Amino acid sequence: EPEVTQTPSHQVTQMGQEVILRCVPISNHLYFYWYRQILGQKVEFLVSFYNNEISEKSEIFDDQFSVERPDGSNFTLKIRSTKLEDSAMYFCASSEFGASGSYQPQHFGDGTRLSIL
Amino acid sequence: EDQVTQSPEALRLQEGESSSLNCSYTVSGLRGLFWYRQDPGKGPEFLFTLYSAGEEKEKERLKATLTKKESFLHITAPKPEDSATYLCAVQFSGGYNKLIFGAGTRLAVHP
Repeated sequence: EPEVTQTPSHQVTQMGQEVILRCVPISNHLYFYWYRQILGQKVEFLVSFYNNEISEKSEIFDDQFSVERPDGSNFTLKIRSTKLEDSAMYFCASSEFGASGSYQPQHFGDGTRLSIL
Repeated sequence: EDQVTQSPEALRLQEGESSSLNCSYTVSGLRGLFWYRQDPGKGPEFLFTLYSAGEEKEKERLKATLTKKESFLHITAPKPEDSATYLCAVQFSGGYNKLIFGAGTRLAVHP
């Protein structure tokens, strides 16, 4: 069964450094997403991406964050100048383009645990 | 403010003891309600999508139902392998494709 894959599974970074989280979405999916889950808290939406541009972003997704689809298979989240509060599990998800236009289920990877020291 | 609330926070069942998990929502213009299962250290695993009140979906021991204000995930004769956190998430008009998640229900099924 096709799945979303994320690398690395765990990333430890010094505060102030830049980090890039990588995702390979399911191959025929056209919508891509990043979510994060701080330990013990809800899963929170960060950004959605379609047709090579951001379609929606949350208040969390400020200038510190950026996303990119550098080729036909990868989808990345870059966090510049990381802060202690960026420590969380970051999930990538993807979904198909449904006949109705959207609202197809999002399929998630197993996440990257980001630890900022 | 749009809200998704799940109850109970945690549920302990004996193997074979059926029960229900609740997800209530206050979003305006529900477009879809999604149930996911999350195991420790893993990402959410998709279970069901419900689009309109009255809709029901079933998969093995799980059955999801939807009304205009809430959804239930019914677990019939659960087994220890059903132990996980069950997450509810909604999409709504004006929210484009983003999912708003509830905090989840941690289910433990004991033999």
